[in-house]
Amino acid sequence: AQSVAQPEDQVNVAEGNPLTVKCTYSVSGNPYLFWYVQYPNRGLQFLLKYITGDNLVKGSYGFEAEFNKSQTSFHLKKPSALVSDSALYFCAVNGGGFKTIFGAGTRLFVKA
Amino acid sequence: DAGVTQSPTHLIKTRGQQVTLRCSPKSGHDTVSWYQQALGQGPQFIFQYYEEEERQRGNFPDRFSGHQFPNYSSELNVNALLLGDSALYLCASSPLQGDTGELFFGEGSRLTVL
Repeated sequence: AQSVAQPEDQVNVAEGNPLTVKCTYSVSGNPYLFWYVQYPNRGLQFLLKYITGDNLVKGSYGFEAEFNKSQTSFHLKKPSALVSDSALYFCAVNGGGFKTIFGAGTRLFVKA
Repeated sequence: DAGVTQSPTHLIKTRGQQVTLRCSPKSGHDTVSWYQQALGQGPQFIFQYYEEEERQRGNFPDRFSGHQFPNYSSELNVNALLLGDSALYLCASSPLQGDTGELFFGEGSRLTVL
């Protein structure tokens, strides 16, 4: 069985500061990992993915994520947060099948 | 290039009724997945359709059923609605070669069951 855990319900950060949104996963086999963002009353938008290769993945809007196989983590990061980054962020995993599993989400609040 | 479109955007039903939600995938995509997102939770996988067949199903009762048409569009049907079925229903499409690739989501259909 595959699962995703996002241990923080909310992350608060000041504008201009670096941000990290945490994600750990459990899957048999090689994981395919994703981050999505959701704005109020909208669908999910893809940010970035890790399939294979370099452990540091760069994505949209200046976000990046670091894959750590030994810690089974895939944390989302951004060097300098913007107020407009405030949204709900979801980590997701696919174990190589047809089903992508999502975490419960982490609300990011960036204060001006 | 139109993205994933869903209809209706909002609807209200009463317990015991039936509902049909519709989805048109992104151009060039042939695989459609449906998710249920309850308030304050992450999306939960309902099922995936490819070549007009249900390819995989999540932990949802048989009250939830679907269909995919030759043009790749899809419907989600829910029978005997319960209060707990109130949620945002999301459709996501992907190209076949992207089984492990990203999903493209529609804006969702918000269902309220009274």
